[in-house]
Amino acid sequence: DGGITQSPKYLFRKEGQNVTLSCEQNLNHDAMYWYRQDPGQGLRLIYYSQIVNDFQKGDIAEGYSVSREKKESFPLTVTSAQKNPTAFYLCASSRGLNTDTQYFGPGTRLTVL
Amino acid sequence: AQSVTQLGSHVSVSEGALVLLRCNYSSSVPPYLFWYVQYPNQGLQLLLKYTTGATLVKGINGFEAEFKKSETSFHLTKPSAHMSDAAEYFCAVTGNNFNKFYFGSGTKLNVKP
Repeated sequence: DGGITQSPKYLFRKEGQNVTLSCEQNLNHDAMYWYRQDPGQGLRLIYYSQIVNDFQKGDIAEGYSVSREKKESFPLTVTSAQKNPTAFYLCASSRGLNTDTQYFGPGTRLTVL
Repeated sequence: AQSVTQLGSHVSVSEGALVLLRCNYSSSVPPYLFWYVQYPNQGLQLLLKYTTGATLVKGINGFEAEFKKSETSFHLTKPSAHMSDAAEYFCAVTGNNFNKFYFGSGTKLNVKP
């Protein structure tokens, strides 16, 4: 079955630690995205990538980093510089950038202890 | 920049009643429009989308939405609510130059027995 997988589903981190969230897709999509979701705020774009080895900052990129070494993979690192990292993180992909339908993974809930 | 407004962060209906979830956008240029549904602790699932053509769009699970350019609206409806419709619904639109995806803040639908 084609789709997007995110791991882990739940992640706990101590303050001051970096943590990496995994996102893999087998839909052969070129574009991939990372969103952050907080209650009552909808989705906010962190980073996006149109093609391999290229990515762009979204609206709230500070304290996050990404890489896109393979078409299928777009991992997100939450660094210690992110002041309020506790949130639900969603990865998405689409055939083309932005205007095409975005398909979402199941999400990772990150809690900072 | 584009903005998306979902009127009512919480909507409650009785089972069998009409569901109406409102979405308005700000752009004067007809964008692409989407409705997604999210169940607790899951990713977003596409319900329906409008790009061009017929302004009444039918989606999955009996939902439909109508694009009204004069009202800059894309309200989501379902004639008869089912308990399984209880979830959070997000409206999304593309930007003026189709270079970005904008999400509303979401509407939580509660279905009473």
